[in-house]
Amino acid sequence: DAKTTQPTSMDCAEGRAANLPCNHSTISGNEYVYWYRQIHSQGPQYIIHGLKNNETNEMASLIITEDRKSSTLILPHATLRDTAVYYCIVRVATSGTYKYIFGTGTRLKVLA
Amino acid sequence: DGGITQSPKYLFRKEGQNVTLSCEQNLNHDAMYWYRQDPGQGLRLIYYSQIVNDFQKGDIAEGYSVSREKKESFPLTVTSAQKNPTAFYLCASRNARRSNTGELFFGEGSRLTVL
Repeated sequence: DAKTTQPTSMDCAEGRAANLPCNHSTISGNEYVYWYRQIHSQGPQYIIHGLKNNETNEMASLIITEDRKSSTLILPHATLRDTAVYYCIVRVATSGTYKYIFGTGTRLKVLA
Repeated sequence: DGGITQSPKYLFRKEGQNVTLSCEQNLNHDAMYWYRQDPGQGLRLIYYSQIVNDFQKGDIAEGYSVSREKKESFPLTVTSAQKNPTAFYLCASRNARRSNTGELFFGEGSRLTVL
């Protein structure tokens, strides 16, 4: 079962920040949150991940609440090429390895 | 360049036939994964492998089989026992030695259609 819930879809104006929320209220203390995006019929692309601190890289920022029950992915200046499905994922440790549990994702449409 | 190669990209199969999807990586990654994606849905885990000659069932393993005889290769067989095999199949790998990061790298997928 998915450990994350996300809105089904969102729109964002080009050049504005896109803020994509994710709820992971059952996350355990050592489970990381990962974000991926998928452009139609391609393999998902890694964006960013975090455990409890906020993270930033060249693609995005990840804000994780203090209780770790939710997070927000921020694309600071959305472009048309950012139109994709964004997945918030919890990485679960199991049997000496990790499982990455995907939810149904948020379909982000960036509007010109 | 390093990466993950899935083949074939498109595959058509008659009902009742087994088919094998190839996944090869030259990233020297230990862990490999197979996911299934249905239209408008997220990814569901079929099988995963931490090391050579070892693999575990994921959430929807029924009707599928895998092998991991080489580090670079993790083929998936969709058997005739799989009731609804038409889907988009994605293979991924991960550097298992980097436990605190270790993001998944995905191939471009194989789209299987059963006629």
